[in-house]
Amino acid sequence: DAGVIQSPRHEVTEMGQEVTLRCKPISGHNSLFWYRQTMMRGLELLIYFNNNVPIDDSGMPEDRFSAKMPNASFSTLKIQPSEPRDSAVYFCASSLQLYSNQPQHFGDGTRLSIL
Amino acid sequence: AQSVTQPDIHITVSEGASLELRCNYSYGATPYLFWYVQSPGQGLQLLLKYFSGDTLVQGIKGFEAEFKRSQSSFNLRKPSVHWSDAAEYFCAALLNAGNNRKLIWGLGTSLGVNP
Repeated sequence: DAGVIQSPRHEVTEMGQEVTLRCKPISGHNSLFWYRQTMMRGLELLIYFNNNVPIDDSGMPEDRFSAKMPNASFSTLKIQPSEPRDSAVYFCASSLQLYSNQPQHFGDGTRLSIL
Repeated sequence: AQSVTQPDIHITVSEGASLELRCNYSYGATPYLFWYVQSPGQGLQLLLKYFSGDTLVQGIKGFEAEFKRSQSSFNLRKPSVHWSDAAEYFCAALLNAGNNRKLIWGLGTSLGVNP
């Protein structure tokens, strides 16, 4: 079975550029989560969706960050304009059901470096 | 505030030795509890979960965890560690957060294994 698929795996770009991270959740999963992981702050939940609707975006650090889920099989996380402090590994995860004992399944992440 | 605490930032054990990674949560009711493992360059993988019933749960890769309500703990154990177990381990708890429920993550414990 295909797991959560994220692209690209690595992204290096200059500050000020727009960055778009992509995620394809596991088919049939209703919930999707975007995380950011850094050495300093650990794993941070940025935003999550249920049935394509954003439920909680309180973890999104600034207005420069936005996320969309136009359909059940695709989500994007966009940073515009990007800054060096946005450098991190960004993970997407999906789960069968929100607020349940169903675990989250993680993609392999996108390692983002902003120069 | 609701939180998940992993007191040990880094632990090193010898191959073949037993292992216990600690996890405590602060919450009045019994949450759903999870342990995840993250190998370098990869996403998080679920090891095991607890939501009710037998307080000793078995997971993949020979891991087990015991829920102790009196201590608000959910410690991860393995009787004999293999070199391939070197990774980052995360404890998480699904807790009530206002009108929603949120998965709260610990900061992780990095496990080193000496040959």
